[in-house]
Amino acid sequence: KAGVTQTPRYLIKTRGQQVTLSCSPISGHRSVSWYQQTPGQGLQFLFEYFSETQRNKGNFPGRFSGRQFSNSRSEMNVSTLELGDSALYLCASSLGTSDTEAFFGQGTRLTVV
Amino acid sequence: TQLLEQSPQFLSIQEGENLTVYCNSSSVFSSLQWYRQEPGEGPVLLVTVVTGGEVKKLKRLTFQFGDARKDSSLHITAAQPGDTGLYLCAGDRTGNQFYFGTGTSLTVIP
Repeated sequence: KAGVTQTPRYLIKTRGQQVTLSCSPISGHRSVSWYQQTPGQGLQFLFEYFSETQRNKGNFPGRFSGRQFSNSRSEMNVSTLELGDSALYLCASSLGTSDTEAFFGQGTRLTVV
Repeated sequence: TQLLEQSPQFLSIQEGENLTVYCNSSSVFSSLQWYRQEPGEGPVLLVTVVTGGEVKKLKRLTFQFGDARKDSSLHITAAQPGDTGLYLCAGDRTGNQFYFGTGTSLTVIP
């Protein structure tokens, strides 16, 4: 059974650009959550999608957005990139029900220069 | 404000020693998970605890969920260099939003 796949693994962008990250969840999983991980802030929740609808949202500015497709694959977009957006972006997939387990992808390392 | 606080934040021990990592909150969680993360990789799920007072063992790792489901601990016996990594606890409160702890960075010195 394939795990969670995130692409690309590494990305370098310049300030002001926008970026799109992709996450393919485990087959059968309908929930995809996105997290930003930085050394100073740890793992911060961005948002969660379930059946193509955003179900939960963290405390990030509107420059961070996402969507989920009918096959449960999800994309995350960050517009007008800032230096502080440099981080490891992780997605986690799960069944989306209570007390379920979340499985993470390897992450996308975004560097903004 | 962090919903889940882990302690200690950093831990450096010799191979063969025992250690305990704590994950504390003032909130009740329906379940709690422990992950280990290596540099540049995503967190890997180690265990999920659901019932208050539950104890789970995974080889040399023992996980406990507090009776009130507000805290948890991870105990490692006879630590090995392969145990090195960032240990994260995560609690589920709202159906599928996981709140992550601050993390404990463990280094086991050969």
